[in-house]
Amino acid sequence: DGGITQSPKYLFRKEGQNVTLSCEQNLNHDAMYWYRQDPGQGLRLIYYSQIVNDFQKGDIAEGYSVSREKKESFPLTVTSAQKNPTAFYLCASSPSEGRMGEQFFGPGTRLTVL
Amino acid sequence: KQEVTQIPAALSVPEGENLVLNCSFTDSAIYNLQWFRQDPGKGLTSLLLIQSSQREQTSGRLNASLDKSSGRSTLYIAASQPGDSATYLCAVTSNTGKLIFGQGTTLQVKP
Repeated sequence: DGGITQSPKYLFRKEGQNVTLSCEQNLNHDAMYWYRQDPGQGLRLIYYSQIVNDFQKGDIAEGYSVSREKKESFPLTVTSAQKNPTAFYLCASSPSEGRMGEQFFGPGTRLTVL
Repeated sequence: KQEVTQIPAALSVPEGENLVLNCSFTDSAIYNLQWFRQDPGKGLTSLLLIQSSQREQTSGRLNASLDKSSGRSTLYIAASQPGDSATYLCAVTSNTGKLIFGQGTTLQVKP
């Protein structure tokens, strides 16, 4: 059953804590992305990776970190430096030989700061 | 800087009505434009993708048009159903492959 999985579905963080959101795909896609969505707003790009062991900052990378040690996995860490982390986080992937911009999205993780 | 705007932010219609959702973008140098559907608390599902050289795409009751010169796209939904209730997002792909999203239109179709 191919697709993109994100875990956990809901995550609660205390002030000053780092938390890591998981994103896994078995679609054999080269590129992976992390987006943040706030209520009533579109998605904003946090980080993206087009190949293993390489990643680039998106528009709102401050307070976040990522790694891409395996093709299938692209975890996102929300650090204590991110001042307003409460949001819905979406992971996506795309094939290198597909239509440009065609991305496939996971189900999302809702992060709440207590 | 590319900006994508969707109007209206919310729309409520009775079942069976035909409706149009609007999307505008400021920079016509796009690679393609996509329409997505998002159900509450869920991820995005791609509905239609229009290449920059195309004028429209159709899938079932959905028809999306693209006018690059005026920076506009519309999503037409025919014979709306309660199951169409969701948020619809428009996104343009820049020539670097980056997606830029609008804020979305939340549609409610009342039985």
